[in-house]
Amino acid sequence: GDSVTQMEGPVTLSEEAFLTINCTYTATGYPSLFWYVQYPGEGLQLLLKATKADDKGSNKGFEATYRKETTSFHLEKGSVQVSDSAVYFCALRDDSWGKLQFGAGTQVVVTP
Amino acid sequence: NAGVTQTPKFQVLKTGQSMTLQCAQDMNHEYMSWYRQDPGMGLRLIHYSVGAGITDQGEVPNGYNVSRSTTEDFPLRLLSAAPSQTSVYFCASSYRAEGNTIYFGEGSWLTVV
Repeated sequence: GDSVTQMEGPVTLSEEAFLTINCTYTATGYPSLFWYVQYPGEGLQLLLKATKADDKGSNKGFEATYRKETTSFHLEKGSVQVSDSAVYFCALRDDSWGKLQFGAGTQVVVTP
Repeated sequence: NAGVTQTPKFQVLKTGQSMTLQCAQDMNHEYMSWYRQDPGMGLRLIHYSVGAGITDQGEVPNGYNVSRSTTEDFPLRLLSAAPSQTSVYFCASSYRAEGNTIYFGEGSWLTVV
């Protein structure tokens, strides 16, 4: 079945550091890929998405490129802020019915 | 624009009690689903619905019931609460077509003692 693997956290960074969160997937078809973010005590918000190979999703300074050849969708941000402290989830959607397969989540802590 | 609305936000139950988590969306989405979030396990699908009158089981359906009598509402029922059901529950909805964004409610924190 489909699965998503993302790097374990917590990831602790200083403000203005470069952030990378690795995400790889297995799927039988050609899934759409998503990054969701969960700030402390809140629900999930869509951060960015990509629906086909080589697409790049971007939002709020974050970027991720859909790499079919390496089955990856790594999240990057060039200069993190304290307000980026959150849990980040990689997910895939492999059918028209809208079921999402999530990774375990990666907690990111940014210190001043 | 309410989006996906869940109630209650916090609930404490005693073992064996039953309760219903409510979920409503105002976007006319065909697809609705319930997930639970547990530490280190991401979100796991409990039940989902592809339209009014149609429901199906997800990855972890045991101990939960759902129904979809209208497009807007998708309640999740805990039949006899157990401590293992202590979790954060999220309702989600989307249009049917692949690639469409799935929108989440703000979550319901449930503790079973």
